[in-house]
Amino acid sequence: EAQVTQNPRYLITVTGKKLTVTCSQNMNHEYMSWYRQDPGLGLRQIYYSMNVEVTDKGDVPEGYKVSRKEKRNFPLILESPSPNQTSLYFCASSFIRNTEAFFGQGTRLTVV
Amino acid sequence: AQSVAQPEDQVNVAEGNPLTVKCTYSVSGNPYLFWYVQYPNRGLQFLLKYITGDNLVKGSYGFEAEFNKSQTSFHLKKPSALVSDSALYFCAVRDLAATNKLIFGTGTLLAVQP
Repeated sequence: EAQVTQNPRYLITVTGKKLTVTCSQNMNHEYMSWYRQDPGLGLRQIYYSMNVEVTDKGDVPEGYKVSRKEKRNFPLILESPSPNQTSLYFCASSFIRNTEAFFGQGTRLTVV
Repeated sequence: AQSVAQPEDQVNVAEGNPLTVKCTYSVSGNPYLFWYVQYPNRGLQFLLKYITGDNLVKGSYGFEAEFNKSQTSFHLKKPSALVSDSALYFCAVRDLAATNKLIFGTGTLLAVQP
């Protein structure tokens, strides 16, 4: 089954404790990205990757890191989480250009 | 800058009635437009897309959308609403000029009353 898998689904952590949210896709997509969803703001892109070893900042990259060492995986790293990073996070993948994106189930992160 | 607007935070409709969820866009060049639906505690699911061709696009679950270039709109429609259609709907446009990202509207909550 074609899918994007994110883990964990729910995470509560404390300020400053490093965490990683994993994302994996099985559709051989070149393009992967991370979004955060906040009420009234829709979804905003954090980082994206056009292919292996190619990553770039999206609209709200501050406080986040990513890596793309393999085509299927695109982890999101929060080196020192802060309460303003409490949000719902989505990983997405697609082929480049005009195709639709496939989304993971989401990770609800709470930073206290 | 490219953008998408969904002017209604919430749309209420009775089951069996037609529904419309509005979306307008601003892009340079030809738009690649998408509709997604988000059910509670779920990820976003693709409904339909407009790339080129017929202005009326048919998608999943009986939904369709009409592309109107002169009004820069891409409204989502369904002839007869179901209670199970109640969800959060997002319109999006793909930024082809640079990052290839999807630019989302703020979402419209559709509530279908039995």
